[in-house]
Amino acid sequence: AQTVTQSQPEMSVQEAETVTLSCTYDTSENNYYLFWYKQPPSRQMILVIRQEAYKQQNATENRFSVNFQKAAKSFSLKISDSQLGDTAMYFCAFPPGAGSYQLTFGKGTKLSVIP
Amino acid sequence: DGGITQSPKYLFRKEGQNVTLSCEQNLNHDAMYWYRQDPGQGLRLIYYSQIVNDFQKGDIAEGYSVSREKKESFPLTVTSAQKNPTAFYLCASSISGSGVRYTEAFFGQGTRLTVV
Repeated sequence: AQTVTQSQPEMSVQEAETVTLSCTYDTSENNYYLFWYKQPPSRQMILVIRQEAYKQQNATENRFSVNFQKAAKSFSLKISDSQLGDTAMYFCAFPPGAGSYQLTFGKGTKLSVIP
Repeated sequence: DGGITQSPKYLFRKEGQNVTLSCEQNLNHDAMYWYRQDPGQGLRLIYYSQIVNDFQKGDIAEGYSVSREKKESFPLTVTSAQKNPTAFYLCASSISGSGVRYTEAFFGQGTRLTVV
């Protein structure tokens, strides 16, 4: 079974600064995706970024990028030039593996951007 | 626009009542899911369905029931057997339940259920 661990329950960052959210996971799969979802105060779950495990290049979406280390099973999210609208819960998620249909979420990191 | 619609946004239930949460998607996705979200516990899977007329229990199915009569619809009923139903409920869908076709899950805006 897959497990996903987010070790930072809460973090804060000054506006315009950079912050990194950590995520580790455990799986026996070899090819898979990894996801970061954002849940703002509206509670709509929004996909931030997706990484394919067989790609060595780290995924980037505008101010969001990941540091994916497959051997270490680490998948951190870096937010550059933080904006007030980045204030949200951030969830790392692992897709269903063989014989499973469950998207497995970490418990989340609450990020506050301070003006 | 394609997406997932949950209704209602807020729902109040009296003790001993059954209530049904609606989830509709027009993304032509095969797989649909119901998650429960409580403070500090992340998301927990209640039920999932890979195909019409078929569904499986997730980690916390007790006190809940679902149906999947149409590809677009996956309603969740919270029964009186669910002793602590106050929570935020999220519906999601994906192209495929697993395997190489799985790319991401799309979520509805959620329903906040409160027992009064």
